[in-house]
Amino acid sequence: DAGITQSPRHKVTETGTPVTLRCHQTENHRYMYWYRQDPGHGLRLIHYSYGVKDTDKGEVSDGYSVSRSKTEDFLLTLESATSSQTSVYFCAISEIQGPYQPQHFGDGTRLSIL
Amino acid sequence: RKEVEQDPGPFNVPEGATVAFNCTYSNSASQSFFWYRQDCRKEPKLLMSVYSSGNEDGRFTAQLNRASQYISLLIRDSKLSDSATYLCVVVIQGAQKLVFGQGTRLTINP
Repeated sequence: DAGITQSPRHKVTETGTPVTLRCHQTENHRYMYWYRQDPGHGLRLIHYSYGVKDTDKGEVSDGYSVSRSKTEDFLLTLESATSSQTSVYFCAISEIQGPYQPQHFGDGTRLSIL
Repeated sequence: RKEVEQDPGPFNVPEGATVAFNCTYSNSASQSFFWYRQDCRKEPKLLMSVYSSGNEDGRFTAQLNRASQYISLLIRDSKLSDSATYLCVVVIQGAQKLVFGQGTRLTINP
């Protein structure tokens, strides 16, 4: 399995609080991604990174920010969490960007916003 | 219309049966295709890529029909361990993302 660690694995917090999720990889892959998975929607891309300090938005980026200061770490921040951000969050990595390159996923973080 | 559509199921089949899923995509510029499987409360894992000529990996066969814009996954001699949700994934030419279907839930019964 790809060396991807997400932390925390579970978190419950209150509306309006800041939340940061961490994705750590040991594969030295250039590309990293944050997805959320919700019933009825499948996996949706939030943000992705194509190198240190290089990030871009996905289809559901509102309310989220990311940072990548090192190749191995990609952080997802909810500046002021809302109940609509209750979800399962997955980090993924890929070695190179290209149409034939699959992504490999971390174990996920279950986030509940009360 | 969703970019990638799958029958959500659930499909309940007896062990040893053959089962097939289809997945349709709307963007004709879709360039590559994958099947992932996801076990309950686990992360998606790559099952197989789908090539234009069709490809087989043991009991699993994937096929692509570009004219009709669908891909299929066939599982032969199904095992209890095949119970999972199967996600269809499409990469659109020029896009920087994978597009996921909602998944088809499969349960293999003893």
